[in-house]
Amino acid sequence: DQQVKQNSPSLSVQEGRISILNCDYTNSMFDYFLWYKKYPAEGPTFLISISSIKDKNEDGRFTVFLNKSAKHLSLHIVPSQPGDSAVYFCAASALGNNDMRFGAGTRLTVKP
Amino acid sequence: KAGVTQTPRYLIKTRGQQVTLSCSPISGHRSVSWYQQTPGQGLQFLFEYFSETQRNKGNFPGRFSGRQFSNSRSEMNVSTLELGDSALYLCASSTSAAEKLFFGSGTQLSVL
Repeated sequence: DQQVKQNSPSLSVQEGRISILNCDYTNSMFDYFLWYKKYPAEGPTFLISISSIKDKNEDGRFTVFLNKSAKHLSLHIVPSQPGDSAVYFCAASALGNNDMRFGAGTRLTVKP
Repeated sequence: KAGVTQTPRYLIKTRGQQVTLSCSPISGHRSVSWYQQTPGQGLQFLFEYFSETQRNKGNFPGRFSGRQFSNSRSEMNVSTLELGDSALYLCASSTSAAEKLFFGSGTQLSVL
């Protein structure tokens, strides 16, 4: 059961432009959302998170937006850099549940 | 602080064999989660352990099992290997399974 969905397997953007990665979830109990970044042959690394009491969280070039009514979140990267090229995973968890669910990932390619 | 350590990095097995993967969490982390990553499927949750107890389990057959020791180190075992078990197996540790996870580099298992 895919409770967290990333419907775009890949995204290609030009350096300096905005990258927007999208994620949808089905479980209304989720209240904590995260984005992870993964390079080949490495484990995912935490990028940014947001709790359900907020609708936006920023960290430098990275901003995550949460729309609870639509069960949708997005990650904005501005400006995009070639080093951002990686697979990005959206993840979600619920308070009191002892697991975190991940989407299938979106491969971002930033072209110089 | 040392990160999450997984051994071995690579494994090649044949169908029908069994395999044991090891994970050492970050010092002080008592929660260890295991995920399977396959192309197009993202990270599929296997199970989570906390203080030697399995607290949650994903939708995998009983061939997949795990355990956690008193020092929080964890192992997962797959018996009667099938070709479809070929994947990257990732271990993650945290203070709590619903919080930010720290991943190891994974064990790449190939079943021939």
